[in-house]
Amino acid sequence: DAGVIQSPRHEVTEMGQEVTLRCKPISGHDYLFWYRQTMMRGLELLIYFNNNVPIDDSGMPEDRFSAKMPNASFSTLKIQPSEPRDSAVYFCASSITIAKNIQYFGAGTRLSVL
Amino acid sequence: AQKVTQAQTEISVVEKEDVTLDCVYETRDTTYYLFWYKQPPSGELVFLIRRNSFDEQNEISGRYSWNFQKSTSSFNFTITASQVVDSAVYFCALSEARDDYKLSFGAGTTVTVRA
Repeated sequence: DAGVIQSPRHEVTEMGQEVTLRCKPISGHDYLFWYRQTMMRGLELLIYFNNNVPIDDSGMPEDRFSAKMPNASFSTLKIQPSEPRDSAVYFCASSITIAKNIQYFGAGTRLSVL
Repeated sequence: AQKVTQAQTEISVVEKEDVTLDCVYETRDTTYYLFWYKQPPSGELVFLIRRNSFDEQNEISGRYSWNFQKSTSSFNFTITASQVVDSAVYFCALSEARDDYKLSFGAGTTVTVRA
């Protein structure tokens, strides 16, 4: 079975540009999480969805960040406008209700904002 | 406040040596879960184990073993007879019953196994 799939793997953009990160969770998983990993702050939960509905977005750093899950097999994390301090690795993870805290992670998207 | 502390930033060993990674956690909940994840150089996070707070039995899986001690709030991870492929960053994490979806990760320990 395919794991969590994220695209792109690497993204280099200039400050002020819009960035969209994509995630396909494991089929049948009804929880989806977005994390950010930086050297300074480690792994931080940004937002999570249950059955495509955003449940907790308290980790989203600013209004420049938004996330959507239009269906059970696709989610996006958008940054508009991007800033150099957004440079990080962004992970998507998914899990199932009966074991929602066993989260399976994608390979991540390494974002560099110049 | 830091809920998960991994005091060892980096560990370097020679192949076939054993390596133990320390993890100390802090929680007021009586029900909680502890995890270990591996992040190899390729970057993805790989789930290794989940233990709940009511199960203090040590666990062994191949060359991996875990020692859970509630008395010292520790959940240590040992790799026996390490191999170069074990080189990775290892993260300990905690999930509390009140927010059981949320994983609080430690800062990670980088393990380098030299041939």
